[in-house]
Amino acid sequence: EDQVTQSPEALRLQEGESSSLNCSYTVSGLRGLFWYRQDPGKGPEFLFTLYSAGEEKEKERLKATLTKKESFLHITAPKPEDSATYLCAVLDTGRRALTFGSGTRLQVQP
Amino acid sequence: DGGITQSPKYLFRKEGQNVTLSCEQNLNHDAMYWYRQDPGQGLRLIYYSQIVNDFQKGDIAEGYSVSREKKESFPLTVTSAQKNPTAFYLCASSPGGGDYEQYFGPGTRLTVT
Repeated sequence: EDQVTQSPEALRLQEGESSSLNCSYTVSGLRGLFWYRQDPGKGPEFLFTLYSAGEEKEKERLKATLTKKESFLHITAPKPEDSATYLCAVLDTGRRALTFGSGTRLQVQP
Repeated sequence: DGGITQSPKYLFRKEGQNVTLSCEQNLNHDAMYWYRQDPGQGLRLIYYSQIVNDFQKGDIAEGYSVSREKKESFPLTVTSAQKNPTAFYLCASSPGGGDYEQYFGPGTRLTVT
């Protein structure tokens, strides 16, 4: 059974204070790992897909990396508008739908 | 504008009533999905459909039903058999054919009393 564990559950940062969110996963075979951002009361917004260990992707202040057992979402010099819940999901080679973690709630204070 | 619409945004029902949540997409995506999200939890898959007239149960399908008569539409019915129906329901679609990024609608918050 696929498992996705995100840590920490919640993170409070000061504006400009860089940090990383972790997503560890267990799958029989990884077809892809996905990062989403979700604002309160809204649907998740797609950020990145990573397919193989060593891959990295960047978007503005966010950078996602992937190893064989985990992914990190690095946030550089965050701003208050980066406050949201960040969700990680995996697609196993044996499935056709994503398995989601429970998310990390990020709060960036000015 | 291309996207996914869900209606209504808020829905209130009495226990024992069936209720249908709407999901429409104009992205020409083949695959569509329904998820349930409870406070502080991740998304749990209810049903998904890879093509018209075909759908599969997800991890928590009991008490729910779906149909896929048109490519653009994937309505979800929450039946009276669903024990804890109050939740935030999210519909998503993906291109299919090897592209698995899912794009989500704005969600419907269902409250059953």
